[in-house]
Amino acid sequence: EPEVTQTPSHQVTQMGQEVILRCVPISNHLYFYWYRQILGQKVEFLVSFYNNEISEKSEIFDDQFSVERPDGSNFTLKIRSTKLEDSAMYFCASSRVSGNTEAFFGQGTRLTVV
Amino acid sequence: GESVGLHLPTLSVQEGDNSIINCAYSNSASDYFIWYKQESGKGPQFIIDIRSNMDKRQGQRVTVLLNKTVKHLSLQIAATQPGDSAVYFCAETGGTDKLIFGTGTRLQVFP
Repeated sequence: EPEVTQTPSHQVTQMGQEVILRCVPISNHLYFYWYRQILGQKVEFLVSFYNNEISEKSEIFDDQFSVERPDGSNFTLKIRSTKLEDSAMYFCASSRVSGNTEAFFGQGTRLTVV
Repeated sequence: GESVGLHLPTLSVQEGDNSIINCAYSNSASDYFIWYKQESGKGPQFIIDIRSNMDKRQGQRVTVLLNKTVKHLSLQIAATQPGDSAVYFCAETGGTDKLIFGTGTRLQVFP
């Protein structure tokens, strides 16, 4: 069964450092998403991406965040200068069509900022 | 806002019993709803979905009920098994790309 894969599974970084979280969405999917989940809390939407541009973003997704699809398979989330409060699980998701359809989630990257 | 370490509602059921997990949503414009299962250390896993033009949908051992009048969604799991133990989230979308997740309910299945 096709799946969304994320690397690394766990990333520890120092405050102020840049991190790049990587995702390989399901191959025939066209819509890509990043969500995050702070420990013990609910999953929160960060950004959606389609046709090489951001289609929607939340207020969490400020200037410190960026996304990119550098080639035909990868989808990345970059945090330019990490803060302690960026520590969370980051989930990538993809779907075949937008909005009202099933989104498949990856296993997540646990980001720990120290 | 939400406090750190939000306490999840917990539902404890005996193996073999039926489970009912409830969710209230707030956006009356939402027209698509999904139930996700999240096991410890893993990403949300799709269980079942329902569109707003339906009030019931059945899958294998799971049923989702939608009451648009009171903006309530429920997930029924028949013959609950130990492997069903997880946190269950409802999510909604109102025609935009993003999913809005609920707080989650922890289901514990004991023998």
